[in-house]
Parts: sequence; structure tokens; C-alpha cells
Amino acid sequence: KNQVEQSPQSLIILEGKNCTLQCNYTVSPFSNLRWYKQDTGRGPVSLTIMTFSENTKSNGRYTATLDADTKQSSLHITASQLSDSASYICVVSGYYGGSQGNLIFGKGTKLSVKP
Amino acid sequence: EPEVTQTPSHQVTQMGQEVILRCVPISNHLYFYWYRQILGQKVEFLVSFYNNEISEKSEIFDDQFSVERPDGSNFTLKIRSTKLEDSAMYFCASSPAGIPYNEQFFGPGTRLTVL
Repeated sequence: KNQVEQSPQSLIILEGKNCTLQCNYTVSPFSNLRWYKQDTGRGPVSLTIMTFSENTKSNGRYTATLDADTKQSSLHITASQLSDSASYICVVSGYYGGSQGNLIFGKGTKLSVKP
Repeated sequence: EPEVTQTPSHQVTQMGQEVILRCVPISNHLYFYWYRQILGQKVEFLVSFYNNEISEKSEIFDDQFSVERPDGSNFTLKIRSTKLEDSAMYFCASSPAGIPYNEQFFGPGTRLTVL
């Protein structure tokens, strides 16, 4: 069964600190993996998209890594800010080719950055 | 910067009533999607739409649901006879292309409450 699992479920860190969020998936065939940021009551916003051939991708203070062999990904946030408080969702597209990719969402990691 | 918009932001309805959720995708996008997120749970794919027809739908998208692009700008989700379990956030998304991987831009969501 295609699944995306994330850990931890929630995380509290102090402003300025770094953190790493984890994602494991069992989606096959694999097309691409995305990390989204979702503020409470808002729609998800894309941070990174990686295909199987990409190991790492950065977007400002966000760096995502992908190991397609072990089916693991991580999202590293450096120098956290209060505005980073949100849910971070790992999403895997398990459909290659065709007219669209059906996205399989993880439950997300709820990050709280405290002053 | 262009964005996906959704109306209303919150809809309250009685069980058994019909509701129509509206979305205006980004103007030059070709692919349109509906997702839902029950409170505290993961985002779930409902349906994708391209070239004026459904290209893929999930098990959730049963005969009670329908989608339509009535004009060149709006994309709607209709629930014919709402049930209590339809209470959720409904997100519309659009993307400029479907393959090989599509960056989807999400709207802010409509919170549907069925009483």
C-alpha cells in the first residue's frame, strides 16, 4: 500500500536553532517527492520538489534530501524563525507519466518555534 | 503574484443540502484539483480535471461529488447531499502542466461544516 510516514509528529524548538524532519515512503512507482509548508487554516505551499535523480535541493533556509534507495527524505531548517511555525508535509507523487500525478500526503510534522 | 482563490472561506450547511464550493485557479494553468482535509488528518486527493473532463478521481469522489468548469475562470466542486462526514477543509489547486511532475498551487481552502 502506498504510504508516507513522517516523524516526529510534533516538534518544539527555540528561535535560531536548526531542526530536521523525516519522511519515509513506500510509494511505488516513484515519480517525485515534495515538501510543503502549511500554516494553520491555510493551503499547503510548496517548498521543494525532487525527482529520484536528485539528492538534495535547497530553498533559502530549507534544505531537502532524498535517498531513493532507502525511500527516505529529510527537511532541514536552519536558523529557525518564529514564522517557521507550521505543519511541514511530505508528499510523494506515485504516478509517472500520464496526465497528472496523484499526490500521496503524509500527516505532517507540526513545528513550533518559540522565542 | 498570481494565486488560487476560493470562496466562501467558511460554509455551514444542514445535512442533506447541496453545496457548491468555488475556486478561481491561476489564469494560465491547465490542470485543476480538489483535495480535502478532515480536521487533524492528512490531506486527501479527490479529483483532477483537465481539458474539461475528469482525468483521475479517488475512492472518496463518489456519485455525490461533481466538478465543473462553467466558464473560463471558475472551477467548482458540488456535493449533492451533504453528510456529516463531509465536514472538512476543501482545497483547490492548479498547475500549469501535468507531466512529468506538476507543481501544484493551493488555494486557502473552504471550511465546510455540515450540521
